[in-house]
Amino acid sequence: QKEVEQNSGPLSVPEGAIASLNCTYSDRGSQSFFWYRQYSGKSPELIMFIYSNGDKEDGRFTAQLNKASQYVSLLIRDSQPSDSATYLCAVRGTGGFKTIFGAGTRLFVKA
Amino acid sequence: GAVVSQHPSRVICKSGTSVKIECRSLDFQATTMFWYRQFPKQSLMLMATSNEGSKATYEQGVEKDKFLINHASLTLSTLTVTSAHPEDSSFYICSAREGALYNSPLHFGNGTRLTVT
Repeated sequence: QKEVEQNSGPLSVPEGAIASLNCTYSDRGSQSFFWYRQYSGKSPELIMFIYSNGDKEDGRFTAQLNKASQYVSLLIRDSQPSDSATYLCAVRGTGGFKTIFGAGTRLFVKA
Repeated sequence: GAVVSQHPSRVICKSGTSVKIECRSLDFQATTMFWYRQFPKQSLMLMATSNEGSKATYEQGVEKDKFLINHASLTLSTLTVTSAHPEDSSFYICSAREGALYNSPLHFGNGTRLTVT
């Protein structure tokens, strides 16, 4: 079992729709959860992070965390073609030191 | 926000030569920096953790004698790929945490694309 799992996609949504990206993790003691966006050939850039169960909103982005289910998600509202990228879920495990990345989900937003 | 600068952005070298990659935290001090490698269409894989003033910690399967890491100051870590071979061709990305808290996010450099011919 991989430590951080994501559906590789591609996930295709029309412009203006909500894109939903999911991630599960294996370390039940994980404390910090991050979403990064990576454009092709570029390094990842931080979108948002979440530490507590529930929802956290930042502009068009909402991160959702359910520690009991070991599940974290990212919702992108009013998706734009510029949101087309690979989205990486990252988890910092027990001990709070290493950050482990999922393989990423490729998102295509069709104009 | 925290800025991490990485150089060079792209390097092409011949097999058998060594390549040094620099990673700097520009507006914060980083006692710890992390080196990742990413092959095409794959995820980021942590190679090693660079600790200021002490030896780096390497992940399982990463050869410490091949990937030399030096973290001589609070703002600079270097990765040297020694005797590079074509299979070392990859995208190398450094990162650092701005704060020491367990929940401080990683900030990434722009990456170095290494091509070994």
